[in-house]
Amino acid sequence: KAGVTQTPRYLIKTRGQQVTLSCSPISGHRSVSWYQQTPGQGLQFLFEYFSETQRNKGNFPGRFSGRQFSNSRSEMNVSTLELGDSALYLCASREQAFGEKLFFGSGTQLSVL
Amino acid sequence: DQQVKQNSPSLSVQEGRISILNCDYTNSMFDYFLWYKKYPAEGPTFLISISSIKDKNEDGRFTVFLNKSAKHLSLHIVPSQPGDSAVYFCAARDNQGGKLIFGQGTELSVKP
Repeated sequence: KAGVTQTPRYLIKTRGQQVTLSCSPISGHRSVSWYQQTPGQGLQFLFEYFSETQRNKGNFPGRFSGRQFSNSRSEMNVSTLELGDSALYLCASREQAFGEKLFFGSGTQLSVL
Repeated sequence: DQQVKQNSPSLSVQEGRISILNCDYTNSMFDYFLWYKKYPAEGPTFLISISSIKDKNEDGRFTVFLNKSAKHLSLHIVPSQPGDSAVYFCAARDNQGGKLIFGQGTELSVKP
């Protein structure tokens, strides 16, 4: 099976712009989670989608949003980018919403200038 | 509010010796704990896990210990190898919603 695929791998944006990141989960996995990784903060949970519905949400401002499609693919959107949004954004999938293991993609490295 | 904490940002050990990575948590609603390993420019990969009803789980060179009364878990790597050099994240599953909460990570360096 192919792993979790995230596109693009790298992005450079300027403050105030918006960005959309894409994630294709492992075939058969219906749950997709998004995390932000910054130095010193570890992996901060953004949200989780299961069967096109947001199941869990982290403590991020409303500028961060996401959605999931009927084929389980997911997108994450960040509007009005700020310098502090520069980070590695990781997508992870698991078969079920309460599955024990997450399988991660390689991430999208976002730089906001 | 950091519910899962890894207080050591880095750890350096000699090849062949034991590496011990520590993790503390505050939420009693966690029912499953996991360790992930991350190399630069790659996503984290699952290493080993333990259910909250157990106190030890072993897989080859890797052993995870859980002390529920202290809300503490640790990962032991014996013997350590240079290829083990990576960032290690501990994670805990919330039994209410199922989300995985991660710690800040510990960068392990194994020197030949």
